[in-house]
Amino acid sequence: DIVMTQSPDSLAVSLGERATINCKSSQSVLYSSNNKNYLAWYQQKPGQPPKLLVYWASTRESGVPDRFRGSGSGTDFTLTISSLQAEDVAVYYCQQHYSFPLTFGGGTKVEIK
Amino acid sequence: EVQLLESGGVLVQPGGSLRLSCAASGFTFTNSAMTWVRQAPGKGLEWVSVMCGGGDTTYYTDSVKGRFTISGDNSKNTLYLQMNGLRAEDTAMYYCAKNTGGSCYHPLEYWGQGTLVTVSS
Repeated sequence: DIVMTQSPDSLAVSLGERATINCKSSQSVLYSSNNKNYLAWYQQKPGQPPKLLVYWASTRESGVPDRFRGSGSGTDFTLTISSLQAEDVAVYYCQQHYSFPLTFGGGTKVEIK
Repeated sequence: EVQLLESGGVLVQPGGSLRLSCAASGFTFTNSAMTWVRQAPGKGLEWVSVMCGGGDTTYYTDSVKGRFTISGDNSKNTLYLQMNGLRAEDTAMYYCAKNTGGSCYHPLEYWGQGTLVTVSS
């Protein structure tokens, strides 16, 4: 199974500042035949289901603000929130959808400092 | 508008059985890949099972293999999760989700609100 490791477990960032979340997979999730990284990011606010933010490592889902940016390839990935807003307080999860069983990272809780 | 509505979650004793349902609308259910994800209280997300578009291929996480069965009824646009031999560690909110497109290798673009399963004596 592919193990997804997120860091940090939590972070507190001031409003308007940058938040950076890291995700590392135990093996590459880059599919060579289409050059796509099978890596997604989700946001989960308290009491709500998760919401898809980014897929193929760097493609923003429709309607997601452009302050959210996904980057990385192979085994190392990053989700950056360029200017943290109050509504971004949530837990963020990465997920590999490259091989079964699909696996999620442990989550990163983002709070306001 | 895509809607997913889970139901069937209850308090059940260890060793018991339960069937969860997910009523889908707003898209063509027949060709869609559909997934179950669970979240234990206060914990992270755990992928459980997927039914690939067409329904012929399914996958499960190791901890539920042989106990859980995913299936779909195209006439009712409904996804199911039959859960047998339930254990305390199966206690969780169970979410139904639709994969983008018909591939079970695609991410989860729509999610239901979840249904809570509690396994306890």
